[in-house]
Amino acid sequence: EVQLVESGGGLVQPGGSLRLSCAASGFTFSSYDMHWVRQTIGKRLEWVSGIGTGGESYYSGSVKGRFTISRENAENSLYLHMNSLRAGDTAVYYCVLGVHCSTTSCYEGPLGYWGQGTLVTVSS
Amino acid sequence: EIVLTQSPATMSLSPGERATLSCRASQSVSRYLAWYQQKPGQAPRLLIYDASKRATGIPARFSGSGSGTDFTLTISSLEPEDFAVYYCQQRSNWPQYTFGQGTKLEIK
Repeated sequence: EVQLVESGGGLVQPGGSLRLSCAASGFTFSSYDMHWVRQTIGKRLEWVSGIGTGGESYYSGSVKGRFTISRENAENSLYLHMNSLRAGDTAVYYCVLGVHCSTTSCYEGPLGYWGQGTLVTVSS
Repeated sequence: EIVLTQSPATMSLSPGERATLSCRASQSVSRYLAWYQQKPGQAPRLLIYDASKRATGIPARFSGSGSGTDFTLTISSLEPEDFAVYYCQQRSNWPQYTFGQGTKLEIK
């Protein structure tokens, strides 16, 4: 069974930094793209960042230059380093596996598995 | 950026009724459109991917259709557990995914 468990959220002042972690299990972590998706207080969903199997990283325009995604395949872990945090970054951050699996095969692309989320609050 | 617009924002229906939710893209996303269901306090759950393919374990009352810029999620006969918020999402310009703003399906 796929499990994704986020940690590291909390209250941080504007301009501060935070590192989110995601512990993955139940699948071959190194074989699939991983993503961070956030949900704002107003319940809007926003894709934040993604990382491919080779470590190539991608960011939304709103976080590019401030956030860094990384993965440690040996530890089945995904990370999001967040710097220069702003009030607009306040959200629940989800770790998401970019694959859907049936009983017989897996298909890359759909955001098939989500963690329970970790809340990041940026406020003074 | 591809913008997804969902309509209506809120839909009030009774159990047993048919629900039809719409998602329109600002430019063609081919068939790379997914639908998610979210209940209070839970993460989104994948329902439909590639416009019309049901995810594993999703009941047959859920169906998706469309291509290009216009997509529909249909729930043929609403069950009490179907009242939730539904989001569409495109992956046409991987990995710059975007989501719609959501449709809240509430009990009438």
